[in-house]
Amino acid sequence: GQNIDQPTEMTATEGAIVQINCTYQTSGFNGLFWYQQHAGEAPTFLSYNVLDGLEEKGRFSSFLSRSKGYSYLLLKELQMKDSASYLCAVLDSNYQLIWGAGTKLIIKP
Amino acid sequence: EAEVAQSPRYKITEKSQAVAFWCDPISGHATLYWYRQILGQGPELLVQFQDESVVDDSQLPKDRFSAERLKGVDSTLKIQPAELGDSAMYLCASSVSGGAVDTQYFGPGTRLTVL
Repeated sequence: GQNIDQPTEMTATEGAIVQINCTYQTSGFNGLFWYQQHAGEAPTFLSYNVLDGLEEKGRFSSFLSRSKGYSYLLLKELQMKDSASYLCAVLDSNYQLIWGAGTKLIIKP
Repeated sequence: EAEVAQSPRYKITEKSQAVAFWCDPISGHATLYWYRQILGQGPELLVQFQDESVVDDSQLPKDRFSAERLKGVDSTLKIQPAELGDSAMYLCASSVSGGAVDTQYFGPGTRLTVL
């Protein structure tokens, strides 16, 4: 079966750095997406990784290791508005997105 | 900036009633997706359209759910009759082609509550 694992919930402090991990076992791999979803709203695209390594985009970075079936999303200089759920999704061999359950990130002042 | 439009944003209905949701994808996007998302879970694909054709509806409960995209642009998802377990967020997304690596862009969703 196909499986994506993320921590259910994480807490961090405003101004700090947090790393959200995602491990996956899927039928094939055509890339990994991270989406941000504020409560009651739709997911919004953050990043896409298909090659190993780190992709940096402002305060957010995403890392991929295909051999380990592992990715993380790194958020720096945390702001209160970063409080949201972060969804990891893998594009499988049929180009279908397999979604994780999401990690709820709580930012405290 | 182009966006995916959905309506209504919120819908409250009683079980056994019929409900319908509408989605207008980003202009030029050939692929349209309907997802259901239960609180605390990731989105679950219900149906995927490529233009007006259904590509994947393997997870669509066809005894009560139907979806159409007649002219290959906007789409309607219908539930008849609604059941208590259908309470969820219904998300529509679109992408340029869907056949390869393609970012999906989501609409604001419709929050359905079945009483």
